[in-house]
Amino acid sequence: DTEVTQTPKHLVMGMTNKKSLKCEQHMGHRAMYWYKQKAKKPPELMFVYSYEKLSINESVPSRFSPECPNSSLLNLHLHALQPEDSALYLCASSQAGMNTEAFFGQGTRLTVV
Amino acid sequence: KNQVEQSPQSLIILEGKNCTLQCNYTVSPFSNLRWYKQDTGRGPVSLTIMTFSENTKSNGRYTATLDADTKQSSLHITASQLSDSASYICVVSPNTGTASKLTFGTGTRLQVTL
Repeated sequence: DTEVTQTPKHLVMGMTNKKSLKCEQHMGHRAMYWYKQKAKKPPELMFVYSYEKLSINESVPSRFSPECPNSSLLNLHLHALQPEDSALYLCASSQAGMNTEAFFGQGTRLTVV
Repeated sequence: KNQVEQSPQSLIILEGKNCTLQCNYTVSPFSNLRWYKQDTGRGPVSLTIMTFSENTKSNGRYTATLDADTKQSSLHITASQLSDSASYICVVSPNTGTASKLTFGTGTRLQVTL
């Protein structure tokens, strides 16, 4: 199994809503990532978890709250988002360490209305 | 600032033809370079990953080259197919940390036509 599974595939939410994005992998990877990608732009790193601990936060606004409940799961909790937060949110995982391949999920297409 | 630049920005080729995409990077110290294929609205899929000691790596019709001295890489696609239409992204990983902080290029949008 070399899959990273993200749910939901599509999400439309209002600016006052609270929602969560989910990511799951069963490859035994101990590094997991959240990226945000706008149309025709490269992915931008948001958070990195290494061994279930937050190791990198790229100065992401607090309305995005990551959570890593165990080594297979990564969540991104959303609250009070803005329309400009609409984007494709990608989850990735890799073995911890250098020169390891990162596997990406198919993404969640988020629209904030 | 670590940067990864790709050229051309976009490319249109006929089915069956070959093409070469370019990537220049300034990331230092350097750990590895990856090429990903990304269909519109989907997650990137890894094509190749090369460390600084590797010069070339193939994956089917995709062949990547790396010159760590000039900090240049290329992705050559042979006998292109319609399904090759996608964005191709060069990604460089610095030689730091236990979790890869990847630097993405802006991508080359390839369109293969009949």
